[in-house]
Amino acid sequence: GQQVMQIPQYQHVQEGEDFTTYCNSSTTLSNIQWYKQRPGGHPVFLIQLVKSGEVKKQKRLTFQFGEAKKNSSLHITATQTTDVGTYFCAGRRDTGNQFYFGTGTSLTVIP
Amino acid sequence: DVKVTQSSRYLVKRTGEKVFLECVQDMDHENMFWYRQDPGLGLRLIYFSYDVKMKEKGDIPEGYSVSREKKERFSLILESASTNQTSMYLCASSFIIQYFGPGTRLLVL
Repeated sequence: GQQVMQIPQYQHVQEGEDFTTYCNSSTTLSNIQWYKQRPGGHPVFLIQLVKSGEVKKQKRLTFQFGEAKKNSSLHITATQTTDVGTYFCAGRRDTGNQFYFGTGTSLTVIP
Repeated sequence: DVKVTQSSRYLVKRTGEKVFLECVQDMDHENMFWYRQDPGLGLRLIYFSYDVKMKEKGDIPEGYSVSREKKERFSLILESASTNQTSMYLCASSFIIQYFGPGTRLLVL
């Protein structure tokens, strides 16, 4: 069954509002990655978090990895229409080469 | 520039047909993956391979098989296509980061 859950599934925001998507794993992860898929496109890597409690920023995007390494979040400040797309988290365990993708959050930004 | 290519962007097949989806990467990656993407279900792993001739089942391998005869090429095979295999199929290769191909949208009639 699905081992990495992501919420919300859909989010509509007005341009300029903030947006957050949450990722929760049933098991401890060695690291977590975030990907963005534009409409009609394929997932593209954004960032990787490895350490417990780690926080990374990319311009208006802030990524966090939970202390227990079982959850993560992506926060976008002051959304723009270019932020439209589906955001996926992907967790990896200590053993094995498999990535466990979340169900994704589809973001719509209303101009 | 990193490149993962898939043999077709769109494919229409009939129920019962054997379907081959090809994926080629030029990054010398050992790990390659096949996913299917369906609305509301995200990316679900079908099979992955961590070396030539090596394969491992993912979460939904039923109805699929794979072949990895060369490092750069990973093929997904639908032995007898069924309508519930209509989906977007994404191939990826990785060392640390996953690089995805453009996807193949398969319609099984």
